[in-house]
Formats: sequence, C-alpha cells, structure tokens
Amino acid sequence: SQTIHQWPATLVQPVGSPLSLECTVEGTSNPNLYWYRQAAGRGLQLLFYSVGIGQISSEVPQNLSASRPQDRQFILSSKKLLLSDSGFYLCAWSVSGRQVYNEQFFGPGTRLTVL
Amino acid sequence: QKEVEQNSGPLSVPEGAIASLNCTYSDRGSQSFFWYRQYSGKSPELIMSIYSNGDKEDGRFTAQLNKASQYVSLLIRDSQPSDSATYLCAVYSPFKAAGNKLTFGGGTRVLVKP
Repeated sequence: SQTIHQWPATLVQPVGSPLSLECTVEGTSNPNLYWYRQAAGRGLQLLFYSVGIGQISSEVPQNLSASRPQDRQFILSSKKLLLSDSGFYLCAWSVSGRQVYNEQFFGPGTRLTVL
Repeated sequence: QKEVEQNSGPLSVPEGAIASLNCTYSDRGSQSFFWYRQYSGKSPELIMSIYSNGDKEDGRFTAQLNKASQYVSLLIRDSQPSDSATYLCAVYSPFKAAGNKLTFGGGTRVLVKP
C-alpha cells in the first residue's frame, strides 16, 4: 500500500530564516506530487506540482520554491521566511497519467509558525 | 464566480439526523468529483469519489452527482459527533488541469450535536 510522509510535523521559525520541508511517498512509482498551503481557517492553496523528477510547476508567485530530486521525494524551500508564510503545509500525491481516477492523497502535514 | 463553491457553514445537525452538503462547479467539462473530510488540525482524508451521474453509497455516506446541473452533494446518514469536521469538495477538469490538479472548494464545516 502507498504511504506518504512529511517532516517535520511542526516548525517554529523566525522571520528571515530558511525553510526546508520534505515529503516522501512509498509504494508507488512516478507519482504526481503537490504542495498545498492552508492558512488558518482558510481553504487549500496549491503552491507547486510535479509530474516527474526535476519537473516543477508553480501556481502562485512567492518566496517559496520546490524541488523533486528523486522520483518519490518532494521538497519545499524558502531562503527567507515571511510572517505570511505561516500555515499548514500539505503534500499530496496522485497516480500519474490517469485521466479519470485521479484521487489525491494527502500527507499528515507540517504546521509552520513564523515569528 | 468561484470554480468550486461550497457553503462555509457551520451546518449544525442533531445526532442521528442526515447532514446534506452541496457543492457546485463552473466547468461543464469536469470529469471527477471528490469529497474529503478534514478534522481540525489534521490533513484532508478522501472519503468519496464519484465519476458518473447518480448516487454512490459507501456506508453512511452517499455522494450524488448531477452533471447537467453542475452540482455534487454528500449525504451523511445517522450523523455522529465524530462526523464533526470540515468537508472539502474537489473537482477535476481534464482540459483545464495539467498534472491532474484538483480544484477545491472552501469547505463546509459540519457540527453534529449530541
């Protein structure tokens, strides 16, 4: 069965510090991978998605970046965090290539507080 | 007009009653429809997928899809306090979404009162 991991689970960082969040998927190959952010009391905002190694598409211009160095690893980074970067960061995966049965499955999330 | 719309709630339901959640979408080419449950502080969990018009039942959950009217609904029968959560509707539109992206509604908060 497939599982998705995210770490760390919680993070408190000062403004201006760097960020690295990691997501890994087990039990599947060549998944589509997604990074979402959910601000407190708000909906899901898609930040990045990837259909393969080294292939990153950005949905929202901001001070975040993403990388996919391995097939089942997705990393979210920032060089300098802003207060507005606080939120619940969710990684998700879906089976690639499917046009219909394309459910997304979410990891447990990382709660980031920028002070 | 938002692409996927949900009433934010809260939808207050007595224990044992039926909770009815609605979701409307704007793209007539949408092909796949999903309901996720999100408990406070947790990540979304997929609870229902529906792809064709009509009803799909899974335990106490029933998803209903009407493509002509562009809405999808979720019924929760015999609601329990443990059903108290935010329910997210998500839609896949193949001609608008590279990378199999989903469009999410803002969610409906459900409160089941004992």
